[in-house]
Amino acid sequence: GQNIDQPTEMTATEGAIVQINCTYQTSGFNGLFWYQQHAGEAPTFLSYNVLDGLEEKGRFSSFLSRSKGYSYLLLKELQMKDSASYLCACPFYNQGGKLIFGQGTELSVKP
Amino acid sequence: GAVVSQHPSRVICKSGTSVKIECRSLDFQATTMFWYRQFPKQSLMLMATSNEGSKATYEQGVEKDKFLINHASLTLSTLTVTSAHPEDSSFYICSARGGTGGNQPQHFGDGTRLSIL
Repeated sequence: GQNIDQPTEMTATEGAIVQINCTYQTSGFNGLFWYQQHAGEAPTFLSYNVLDGLEEKGRFSSFLSRSKGYSYLLLKELQMKDSASYLCACPFYNQGGKLIFGQGTELSVKP
Repeated sequence: GAVVSQHPSRVICKSGTSVKIECRSLDFQATTMFWYRQFPKQSLMLMATSNEGSKATYEQGVEKDKFLINHASLTLSTLTVTSAHPEDSSFYICSARGGTGGNQPQHFGDGTRLSIL
């Protein structure tokens, strides 16, 4: 079976750094996606990791350790607009490419 | 980049009504689209995988006769919620992959907020 776990809520201060963790147990691994979702809106793509290590993209970075079944999303220089839900998801290409999502981490950025 | 358009964005209707939601890939062809449902403060739950020219693949617990999916072309999939009831009120989102490479993300429509009175 598949299980993707992430914290439900996090709070951080504007200008700070926050790390959102995601652990996964899947039958087969084809990479891991991170999405951002603002309330009432559709998710938007942030990053994709399939190899171990850190992928940096501006203020956002994503890390993967396949041996530990672990990923994190790192957000630097937090801004108020970063308040959103962050979803990690694993694709299953032998099942049409469907995504299985974690429950999402609701991040609140305080001034 | 890949754009997915979903329509309508909001529907309010009476119990017993059937509601059709359209999902279009605007600048790419999508042999596979996905339909999700999301309740407040919860994550996306995959309902079904929509396959062009063939039957949809439904996730466990999703009633295929309740949620009819048609994928008539490479750019259009529709979800019809038949005889909708208040418990069907939710946020419905479709998505499609912009390519077949392993790193191709799913791109999401803007979602449809369905409210059944």
